[in-house]
Amino acid sequence: DAGITQSPRHKVTETGTPVTLRCHQTENHRYMYWYRQDPGHGLRLIHYSYGVKDTDKGEVSDGYSVSRSKTEDFLLTLESATSSQTSVYFCAINHRQERTEAFFGQGTRLTVV
Amino acid sequence: DQQVKQNSPSLSVQEGRISILNCDYTNSMFDYFLWYKKYPAEGPTFLISISSIKDKNEDGRFTVFLNKSAKHLSLHIVPSQPGDSAVYFCAASVSGGSYIPTFGRGTSLIVHP
Repeated sequence: DAGITQSPRHKVTETGTPVTLRCHQTENHRYMYWYRQDPGHGLRLIHYSYGVKDTDKGEVSDGYSVSRSKTEDFLLTLESATSSQTSVYFCAINHRQERTEAFFGQGTRLTVV
Repeated sequence: DQQVKQNSPSLSVQEGRISILNCDYTNSMFDYFLWYKKYPAEGPTFLISISSIKDKNEDGRFTVFLNKSAKHLSLHIVPSQPGDSAVYFCAASVSGGSYIPTFGRGTSLIVHP
């Protein structure tokens, strides 16, 4: 199994508060991604990283920011959480550069009340 | 605008029969296609992939077929087993780019004993 750890696994937070989700990998892979999964929408890309300090926006990036100061860590921040950001968040890493078999973490269930 | 479409939200199959899950894509730049399987409360796991230079790839009970002219791929599971009950996501990507898989909305497969 790819070494990907997401923390926390579950979180309940109040509207308007900042929240940071962490993705940690032990595989030294270059590419890391944050997706959110919602019923009827599948997996949608929020942000991705193609190296340390190299990040870019995905399909649903509004309200989210990311940082990657080390190869192994990719942080997703909700600056001011809203109820529409209640979701399951998945981090993924790219296994090999020439292929796109991304490997996923176990997910973080975030509830914004 | 969805670039990867899974038009069947759910599929029910009898154990031992064939399961056929379908996926259509609109972006002609996609050249690598993947299927992921997801159980509840777990992250998606890679199942099988196919490059655009092939039209078929087999791995045990799983076969993926690609019809580039129709921009259509399908996943065949033969024989289906109750343990195959899960949500299946189709994904597509462009090689040489940021290796970002774009996902469909998923098909929930239920295999009845």
